[in-house]
Amino acid sequence: DQQVKQNSPSLSVQEGRISILNCDYTNSMFDYFLWYKKYPAEGPTFLISISSIKDKNEDGRFTVFLNKSAKHLSLHIVPSQPGDSAVYFCAASESRASGSARQLTFGSGTQLTVLP
Amino acid sequence: EADIYQTPRYLVIGTGKKITLECSQTMGHDKMYWYQQDPGMELHLIHYSYGVNSTEKGDLSSESTVSRIRTEHFPLTLESARPSHTSQYLCASSDFGTGRHEQYFGPGTRLTVT
Repeated sequence: DQQVKQNSPSLSVQEGRISILNCDYTNSMFDYFLWYKKYPAEGPTFLISISSIKDKNEDGRFTVFLNKSAKHLSLHIVPSQPGDSAVYFCAASESRASGSARQLTFGSGTQLTVLP
Repeated sequence: EADIYQTPRYLVIGTGKKITLECSQTMGHDKMYWYQQDPGMELHLIHYSYGVNSTEKGDLSSESTVSRIRTEHFPLTLESARPSHTSQYLCASSDFGTGRHEQYFGPGTRLTVT
């Protein structure tokens, strides 16, 4: 059973507009969330994270929003640039768990294409 | 900036061969991980290590084995490769001691078993 879900496999956005990538989770024990960006033939690169004690975290053009009651997080990219075209993965972890439960659980990714 | 390296980047090999995928990091991180990822799918954890001489299997069953003799080195071995092992293998490391959860990934090894 997939605990982290990214239901949109792809998203296309015009350059300069906002990109909104969504992620849902089912495990209420998750308390730390991350977004990664991945180009083809490269490893994922960390973008931004948020702890469950916050509902928003901002870093430049990237903002992550967390809605704990809905078990939903989103990544906003404003303004979107062609270089942002990549696969975006959300991930979650339980900071108080032990063993493999402390590891990151990933969604299946969303391919973002920013059109010039 | 993360410094984690994987070799080879691409490998095409015949069925039955033994292979070792190399992973090294220069950040002094205690925690290291191996993930397997197929196109359009999530990353699946197959092995992790919390330090030297500590290795554990991840959530996804794998026929591969790992070792952690040195902090900076975490190789993955397949004794007898099969076409079902064709995938991308990603190595990562992290430092939970800072209270952060970020893992830093290497560039990956794309393995094709014919």
